[in-house]
Amino acid sequence: GQNIDQPTEMTATEGAIVQINCTYQTSGFNGLFWYQQHAGEAPTFLSYNVLDGLEEKGRFSSFLSRSKGYSYLLLKELQMKDSASYLCAPLNSNYQLIWGAGTKLIIKP
Amino acid sequence: DGGITQSPKYLFRKEGQNVTLSCEQNLNHDAMYWYRQDPGQGLRLIYYSQIVNDFQKGDIAEGYSVSREKKESFPLTVTSAQKNPTAFYLCASSMVGDYYEQYFGPGTRLTVT
Repeated sequence: GQNIDQPTEMTATEGAIVQINCTYQTSGFNGLFWYQQHAGEAPTFLSYNVLDGLEEKGRFSSFLSRSKGYSYLLLKELQMKDSASYLCAPLNSNYQLIWGAGTKLIIKP
Repeated sequence: DGGITQSPKYLFRKEGQNVTLSCEQNLNHDAMYWYRQDPGQGLRLIYYSQIVNDFQKGDIAEGYSVSREKKESFPLTVTSAQKNPTAFYLCASSMVGDYYEQYFGPGTRLTVT
């Protein structure tokens, strides 16, 4: 079957760094997306990894290890507006995104 | 501005009524998708379409129907056969064959009582 595993909830402090892990099992693999979703809103694109390694984009970075079925999203210099759910979504062999339940990130002052 | 529109943002219906949710995109994307999201849950795929006049069932298609008569439009009908229709419905679109990032509309929150 296809499965995504992410922590349900994480808490971090404003200004700190947090790493959100994602492990996945899919039928085939064509890359992995991370999306941010604020409560009551639609998901918005954060990053895409198709090769192993780290992709950096401002305060956000995403890492992929295809052999381990593992990815993480690293958020630096946390701001209150980063309080949201973060969705890990690998692309399977049929080019369908497989969605995890997401990690709810709570930022405290 | 290119994007995806869904209307209305909030929709209330009585049990036993069919209801159609609209989704329009002007991104010239070939593929369109409908998802359902329940509180604390991930996105679950209802239907998707990669080309006009063709669509496939997703993981939870029972009680739903769609049409794709135009590239820009992919309406979803929630029928009275859907046992628990109250949910947040999200429409998305993407290119096909090159890059598969999905772009989302703002969503419609449907409440059936």
